[in-house]
Amino acid sequence: RKEVEQDPGPFNVPEGATVAFNCTYSNSASQSFFWYRQDCRKEPKLLMSVYSSGNEDGRFTAQLNRASQYISLLIRDSKLSDSATYLCVVPFTGRRALTFGSGTRLQVQP
Amino acid sequence: NAGVTQTPKFRVLKTGQSMTLLCAQDMNHEYMYWYRQDPGMGLRLIHYSVGEGTTAKGEVPDGYNVSRLKKQNFLLGLESAAPSQTSVYFCASIPRGPPITYNEQFFGPGTRLTVL
Repeated sequence: RKEVEQDPGPFNVPEGATVAFNCTYSNSASQSFFWYRQDCRKEPKLLMSVYSSGNEDGRFTAQLNRASQYISLLIRDSKLSDSATYLCVVPFTGRRALTFGSGTRLQVQP
Repeated sequence: NAGVTQTPKFRVLKTGQSMTLLCAQDMNHEYMYWYRQDPGMGLRLIHYSVGEGTTAKGEVPDGYNVSRLKKQNFLLGLESAAPSQTSVYFCASIPRGPPITYNEQFFGPGTRLTVL
């Protein structure tokens, strides 16, 4: 089983829509979870950190379900500028490192 | 602060050539990482370091070597480049934090490597 799995998408949504991505992870001891955003051919940048049950920042909400070992990212009122790839990131089992999901691509259309 | 920088930004190699990619950070971070990203895929960990003088293998270490002689620098070497190593290489660093938790990972802008 992969350390972290995501639906690759793409998710094509109209402006103003609400969209949610899910991510499952295998390391049950994980304490830190992250969502990173990556624009085409650029380096990933931190979008949100999740250390407890969830986190909210404006239009973005991340939720953690430890029992089912999944993390979700909810984007409300989608903007054209939200078009990007969203990477789910969790600690790597047995390594002092983080591991990245393959990413979910979001395309917001006018 | 420059953050995390990578040198070079682009490089084209011929099969069998060698090269070294340099990652430098000025944030006094303990942990440093090298990833590769292939088209349509996520980042895969090549090697990492949890402190000066230490290195460890990631999930795809074959064909690469690393060194961390100074805390601020993490070098990635390709001894004999192969076309399968054509990729975008990202370096990243994290400050030391509480046990089993992690802080934000800071990335360099990437190095685009093509091996012909």
